[in-house]
Amino acid sequence: DIQMTQSPSSVSASVGDRVTITCRASQDIKNWLAWYQQKPGKAPKLLIYGASTLQTGVPSRFSGSSSGTDFTLTISSLQPEDFATYYCQQADSFPTTFGGGTKVEIK
Amino acid sequence: QVQLVQSGAEVKKPGASVKVSCKASGYTFTSYEINWVRQATGQGLEWMGWMDPRSGNKGYAQKFQGRVTMTRDTSISTAYMELSSLRSDDTAVYYCARRNLAVVAEDYWGQGSLVTVSS
Repeated sequence: DIQMTQSPSSVSASVGDRVTITCRASQDIKNWLAWYQQKPGKAPKLLIYGASTLQTGVPSRFSGSSSGTDFTLTISSLQPEDFATYYCQQADSFPTTFGGGTKVEIK
Repeated sequence: QVQLVQSGAEVKKPGASVKVSCKASGYTFTSYEINWVRQATGQGLEWMGWMDPRSGNKGYAQKFQGRVTMTRDTSISTAYMELSSLRSDDTAVYYCARRNLAVVAEDYWGQGSLVTVSS
């Protein structure tokens, strides 16, 4: 199975901060990488697919990029509603696998 | 609008089985795969398997092979996930999610069904 290593596991940030989350795949997954946001007690929500394409309705302060097997989710200016846990997911090969998650907390 | 509505919370004893349902609306049920993902309290997301409602084809994560069965009833646009031989570490929230092959990601999720395994 492809391992997805996500870092950091948690980050404390303030409103307006730029936040970067990284996900590293254990092998080439082309750009079949998605990012999800999950708030407590809620289902995950798709933010980005294909490593860099924003899902409809997702604010433009979210962006995704890739370099080889390294993938990055950036929140350009953190808003109060962005405090949540973020997961990456590879969909290149069976079985699909998720990263361990990054909790974005209020500083 | 697309909705996936799951069945309610369940409490089961070790060794029992549980069957969670996922009713789809707002789109053509047979046009999108359904994936099942679970999440233990305070833990990450764990993929369990997928099913194509049109063909009935399915695939399961190796960890759950022999214990999980995914089925569907196309007449009522509902997918099911049954997990048998339950253990305490199967206590989790179980989600169904629609796999959109155009974006290769799960674009809609059910609200989750809490399954508690306790003696």
